[in-house]
Amino acid sequence: NAGVTQTPKFQVLKTGQSMTLQCAQDMNHNSMYWYRQDPGMGLRLIYYSASEGTTDKGEVPNGYNVSRLNKREFSLRLESAAPSQTSVYFCASGPSNQPQHFGDGTRLSIL
Amino acid sequence: ILNVEQSPQSLHVQEGDSTNFTCSFPSSNFYALHWYRWETAKSPEALFVMTLNGDEKKKGRISATLNTKEGYSYLYIKGSQPEDSATYLCASSGGGADGLTFGKGTHLIIQP
Repeated sequence: NAGVTQTPKFQVLKTGQSMTLQCAQDMNHNSMYWYRQDPGMGLRLIYYSASEGTTDKGEVPNGYNVSRLNKREFSLRLESAAPSQTSVYFCASGPSNQPQHFGDGTRLSIL
Repeated sequence: ILNVEQSPQSLHVQEGDSTNFTCSFPSSNFYALHWYRWETAKSPEALFVMTLNGDEKKKGRISATLNTKEGYSYLYIKGSQPEDSATYLCASSGGGADGLTFGKGTHLIIQP
């Protein structure tokens, strides 16, 4: 099915470990986004990419890095995981005047 | 960063009743207003995207209106059903490709 694919769906890390969350879309969208969802906080934008080769910080970028590898893929990296990064992470794609397409989310726990 | 507010935070409604809730957003630098329906353990599902003042959109029993001059949008659900139970998210965009600013959502529970 067409859409946004995120991997992994679940992950448990120890404090200080690193990992990369992968996201790919097959809708030929220029814009891609990473959000995190925390209880009582709604969805908050971490980083976004307006097009291949460009990335920009969102509302909560500290502790994260991103790579727009090509038009399809936009990855999010935690270099040194902290308990405060325990969250559900959503990747999305699409222009801002059209419905955003979301992946199924990654539930990440940092111990 | 746009500040998007939703009210109420949660809402209990009897099955069959109609209900509505509010999203407010800064009217300056407005580009688009989104509504999403979000069930636990699933990804947000797009309901509506509106861009013009006075826009009204409808999908089945759910409809939405937009007032860009005063910075608010209403979501209406007519004849609530148990399957309408979900969190309804509103998000605003200031244009370009810089993502959406989401409100914290309205958690709707339909009681049989």
